[in-house]
Amino acid sequence: GAVVSQHPSRVICKSGTSVKIECRSLDFQATTMFWYRQFPKKSLMLMATSNEGSKATYEQGVEKDKFLINHASLTLSTLTVTSAHPEDSSFYICSARDLQAGGDYNEQFFGPGTRLTVL
Amino acid sequence: GQNIDQPTEMTATEGAIVQINCTYQTSGFNGLFWYQQHAGEAPTFLSYNVLDGLEEKGRFSSFLSRSKGYSYLLLKELQMKDSASYLCAVSDSNYQLIWGAGTKLIIKP
Repeated sequence: GAVVSQHPSRVICKSGTSVKIECRSLDFQATTMFWYRQFPKKSLMLMATSNEGSKATYEQGVEKDKFLINHASLTLSTLTVTSAHPEDSSFYICSARDLQAGGDYNEQFFGPGTRLTVL
Repeated sequence: GQNIDQPTEMTATEGAIVQINCTYQTSGFNGLFWYQQHAGEAPTFLSYNVLDGLEEKGRFSSFLSRSKGYSYLLLKELQMKDSASYLCAVSDSNYQLIWGAGTKLIIKP
């Protein structure tokens, strides 16, 4: 099956710093990638939809200036949490959609997630 | 609005069968997914239903009734490793996934 990687898997940073998280589709081209965050014992919350070569579409309530998303190629999307604060501590998960796959073409393949802790 | 409902928590015994229900109300429908998520890990794909009926895949089966806005995930021959959260998600008219809050399944020996 399709593989999505995420880096780093875990990051601890000081309040006020910026953190970049990478999401890569390893064996397929992903024209669309999704960024989610998940709080403990809560469901996934879609933050934004990232389309290659265009601006990301952010969900209501998500600050686009705080969560910068870049999807520069068909295999890489990045999420930068700018001026991170403790309330940004969460589990961030990306997923990618392989539009060239047959059958269940709208299936999303998930990365392993990034645990962000802001001190 | 869009809504996905599933039980918060269920308990079952090792070796038994458990059924996790999911009801949905969404703007459009392009399929329903079930994912398994272990604590601290990303979700992993279990099943996809877009037509009514039962899809069987080993110990796991998933059922869909579009007219009722209803699905269930059936897990047979439960193993301790099946202890996890099970997430129901519906692909809406824009092919975005609308997520349920997940059902935490606890397996007891």
